[in-house]
Amino acid sequence: DAGITQSPRHKVTETGTPVTLRCHQTENHRYMYWYRQDPGHGLRLIHYSYGVKDTDKGEVSDGYSVSRSKTEDFLLTLESATSSQTSVYFCAISSIQGQGRHNEQFFGPGTRLTVL
Amino acid sequence: GQSLEQPSEVTAVEGAIVQINCTYQTSGFYGLSWYQQHDGGAPTFLSYNALDGLEETGRFSSFLSRSDSYGYLLLQELQMKDSASYFCAVDAGNMLTFGGGTRLMVKP
Repeated sequence: DAGITQSPRHKVTETGTPVTLRCHQTENHRYMYWYRQDPGHGLRLIHYSYGVKDTDKGEVSDGYSVSRSKTEDFLLTLESATSSQTSVYFCAISSIQGQGRHNEQFFGPGTRLTVL
Repeated sequence: GQSLEQPSEVTAVEGAIVQINCTYQTSGFYGLSWYQQHDGGAPTFLSYNALDGLEETGRFSSFLSRSDSYGYLLLQELQMKDSASYFCAVDAGNMLTFGGGTRLMVKP
């Protein structure tokens, strides 16, 4: 299994508070992703990173920010949590091959976030 | 942008064969992936098709037709442990776009 961990695994917070989720990898993969998963919506990309300090927005980036200061860590921050951000958050990593571009992603165990 | 359509739910009997279809619209395309997710777990990679045709891996096969923007996942000799959600995902560059998922229920 790919070495990818997420912390915390569960969190309950109140509306308006800041929240930071951490994703840590030991695979030295270049690409890292943050998804949220809600019933009926599958996995939706929030932000992704293609290198240290290089990030880009995904499909549902509003209300979220990310940072990647080291290859192994990718942080997702909710500056002011809202109830609509209650979800399961998955981090994923990938080493996209140059030829063939096989984007196989390995997922972390997920973080269940509840915003009251 | 990208959009993917797959059935929300499929039910089949243990030992049977089931096919999960996926149609997509995308502005860029490198390949189609399939992922499996058991309840409470993380998605795990099953297959990737970059070219037209059938790819076989054990009991699972995946098919792609780029001209029809269509693919499917074929599961043979169904087992109870195959009960899970299955997601198709378009590889359009640096990111994947996932379909809403198909929940497969395998009955004895």
